[in-house]
Amino acid sequence: AQKITQTQPGMFVQEKEAVTLDCTYDTSDQSYGLFWYKQPSSGEMIFLIYQGSYDEQNATEGRYSLNFQKARKSANLVISASQLGDSAMYFCAMSRGAGGTSYGKLTFGQGTILTVHP
Amino acid sequence: DGGITQSPKYLFRKEGQNVTLSCEQNLNHDAMYWYRQDPGQGLRLIYYSQIVNDFQKGDIAEGYSVSREKKESFPLTVTSAQKNPTAFYLCASKTGFGQPQHFGDGTRLSIL
Repeated sequence: AQKITQTQPGMFVQEKEAVTLDCTYDTSDQSYGLFWYKQPSSGEMIFLIYQGSYDEQNATEGRYSLNFQKARKSANLVISASQLGDSAMYFCAMSRGAGGTSYGKLTFGQGTILTVHP
Repeated sequence: DGGITQSPKYLFRKEGQNVTLSCEQNLNHDAMYWYRQDPGQGLRLIYYSQIVNDFQKGDIAEGYSVSREKKESFPLTVTSAQKNPTAFYLCASKTGFGQPQHFGDGTRLSIL
């Protein structure tokens, strides 16, 4: 079974500073995918960034980067130059890489609420 | 514009009543998913479908049913057997390995 752990219920950051949101995972699979989603107070889930287990380089998407440490089973999200609009709930999730009926299903962590202060 | 449409946005259920949540996508995605989110919690998988006329139970399928008669539609029925249906329900779809799931805006279900 897969498990995602997000140990920070809430985080605060000053506008324009960088912040790291922690995510650790547990799986016995060799092939898997790691995702980060943002959920504003309105409720929709917005995809931010993806990292495959075999990707050697850390994924980056604009101000978002994923600090992937495979040996430690961690996939932390780094947001650079925080903006007020970044205030939201952030979820880490993982999928099994390939094969079987589990393909594509996501297992989510409990989430971290990020508040950006002006 | 392509996307996923969930309706209604808010839904109220009386005791003993079945209700159906709609999910339609025009992204031509093969796979579709239903998740439940309780306040302050992560999402939990209810049902998923990888192709038309086929679907699988997720982690919390009891008290729910689905159908997948068309590629673009994946309705979820919350039956009277679901004793605690108050939650936020999110539908998602995806295509291809490594591609992210795209989500609808969700339906909030409450008990009257």
